[in-house]
Amino acid sequence: KAGVTQTPRYLIKTRGQQVTLSCSPISGHRSVSWYQQTPGQGLQFLFEYFSETQRNKGNFPGRFSGRQFSNSRSEMNVSTLELGDSALYLCASSLGQGNGYTFGSGTRLTVV
Amino acid sequence: SQQGEEDPQALSIQEGENATMNCSYKTSINNLQWYRQNSGRGLVHLILIRSNEREKHSGRLRVTLDTSKKSSSLLITASRAADTASYFCATENSGNTPLVFGKGTRLSVIA
Repeated sequence: KAGVTQTPRYLIKTRGQQVTLSCSPISGHRSVSWYQQTPGQGLQFLFEYFSETQRNKGNFPGRFSGRQFSNSRSEMNVSTLELGDSALYLCASSLGQGNGYTFGSGTRLTVV
Repeated sequence: SQQGEEDPQALSIQEGENATMNCSYKTSINNLQWYRQNSGRGLVHLILIRSNEREKHSGRLRVTLDTSKKSSSLLITASRAADTASYFCATENSGNTPLVFGKGTRLSVIA
């Protein structure tokens, strides 16, 4: 079966711009989670969506937002980009608690 | 915030040796999971151990869980150069709470 697909793989943006990242989960997985990974902070939880509803949210400013569509595909948006937003953004899908997560290959965002 | 703390931060061993990584966590958990990440790529789920389990095996992997000490260990036996990666533990609490990751152990296996 197809894995978790994240697009694009790489992105370069300028400070102040906004960006939208996309994630297609494994078919049948209704839970989609997003993580930010940086060398200094490690893997930080952004948010989780389940059946189009945001179920959990991490400690990130309101510039970070997301949504989930009826087909479980998810997008995350970062507005007014800052240099510190440069990171690997990872999406993961799951059948639910007690099951492992399947991660996509990530989107490498560089803000210049 | 980090729930799990892996130890050591970095580990370098010869091919064929065993590698042991440890993870400590702070609060009660529903399960603990281990993941591998090759440089700059997504994470791969290795093994999940539930709070009522003490040991689990998968191929060359052996995971133990001690809930009284709030700690887990991952043992990779007969390591190979291809095992070179970062290894993360992650904990899942009860309820629909997110998976929380530690900062990882960077394993280098030298051929």
